[in-house]
Amino acid sequence: GENVEQHPSTLSVQEGDSAVIKCTYSDSASNYFPWYKQELGKRPQLIIDIRSNVGEKKDQRIAVTLNKTAKHFSLHITETQPEDSAVYFCAAHGDTGRRALTFGSGTRLQVQP
Amino acid sequence: DARVTQTPRHKVTEMGQEVTMRCQPILGHNTVFWYRQTMMQGLELLAYFRNRAPLDDSGMPKDRFSAEMPDATLATLKIQPSEPRDSAVYFCASGLVLGRIQETQYFGPGTRLLVL
Repeated sequence: GENVEQHPSTLSVQEGDSAVIKCTYSDSASNYFPWYKQELGKRPQLIIDIRSNVGEKKDQRIAVTLNKTAKHFSLHITETQPEDSAVYFCAAHGDTGRRALTFGSGTRLQVQP
Repeated sequence: DARVTQTPRHKVTEMGQEVTMRCQPILGHNTVFWYRQTMMQGLELLAYFRNRAPLDDSGMPKDRFSAEMPDATLATLKIQPSEPRDSAVYFCASGLVLGRIQETQYFGPGTRLLVL
């Protein structure tokens, strides 16, 4: 089945700096890669996603890149703000075996004002 | 703005008691997921259904957990008997899958369970 590894587990940046979170996956047939943001005590909420036929996607300050050959994808947040502080989860949707999302272990991002 | 709903939002119970959690998926979604979230294990997939049929429950302890979808608007997760190690936040999520295309998966607000 799919295995997703996420790094780093914690990340602290200064307001205005960029933040990058990286994930690797194991199932080369995986075709869908969402990123979720979870604030303390709240539900995970989708912030951006990318499909396997696209290499990069951007939405304002957030971008995701996908390297299918290397089987890794990354979340980039530019001009970080204190409200970006949260736990971020990557996920990959496998296309073999269990056809469901497998989540990374999460990255706790702290943006220092 | 359609949302996944879950009840109860909080549950405190004693070890050995039965716990039932309910989820109403977004209308039109054909896939429902149950996740458990703890500090140590992150987001674990317990079970999921497509078109109300159970597809995978390999993440669920079979001896005490059961998941059902009696109709398209209700999914349930039961724990009987409950144990302190079951204390966690249980999320339901729903999404639409068309062929091999996975659409966005939306999470409910979660049920925070504490077993004493």
